[in-house]
Amino acid sequence: EVQLVESGGGLVQPGGSLRLSCAASGFTFSSYDMHWVRQATGKGLEWVSAIGTAGDTYYSGSVKGRFTISRENAKNSLYLQMSSLRAGDTAVYYCARGNSGSGSYHFDYWGQGTLVTVSS
Amino acid sequence: QSVLTQPPSVSGAPGQRVTISCTGISSNIGAGYDVHWYQQLPGTAPKVLIYGNSNRPSGVPDRFAGSKSGTSASLAITGLQAEDEADYYCQSYDSSLSGYVFGTGTKVTVL
Repeated sequence: EVQLVESGGGLVQPGGSLRLSCAASGFTFSSYDMHWVRQATGKGLEWVSAIGTAGDTYYSGSVKGRFTISRENAKNSLYLQMSSLRAGDTAVYYCARGNSGSGSYHFDYWGQGTLVTVSS
Repeated sequence: QSVLTQPPSVSGAPGQRVTISCTGISSNIGAGYDVHWYQQLPGTAPKVLIYGNSNRPSGVPDRFAGSKSGTSASLAITGLQAEDEADYYCQSYDSSLSGYVFGTGTKVTVL
């Protein structure tokens, strides 16, 4: 069974840093792209970042230069290092698996999310 | 930011059919990128409902159907059930933004 479990969320002051983790199990982690998607309370979904199987990274314009995505295949883990945090970064952060195996690339599994609150 | 536009809400009585539209532009849906739909039940993570415009993952009832034409896509729910009350999001890729984009989201209410 595919499982994605996020951790590391919490309360952080504006300008601060936080590192999120996503523990994956039930599939060959190294064979899949992985993503971070966030959702502010009562708002819609926003794609944040992705990392490919070769370690190539991609970011949305709103976090580029402030967030860093990485992966550690030996530990089946995905990370998101967030710095220079702003109030607008407050959201539940989901990790999601990218899958093109069915011929159309989509996010086929999601974790339960971890809440990040940026406030003084 | 949401670059795909959806109606904020739709509603219907049990057994009825409802549709949710997802409108994009020439750099996303109109460029030929696939549209996917996700269902988010209250307090839970999103779950893929339709992928590749019209394909259902195993376990998703055939009451859910997706289609795409031009710069828009649609999700139809037939035989509406109480358990279908949720938020629904379309998703695609945008070449101008070089990233994945979601719709604004639609809340489905079963009357």
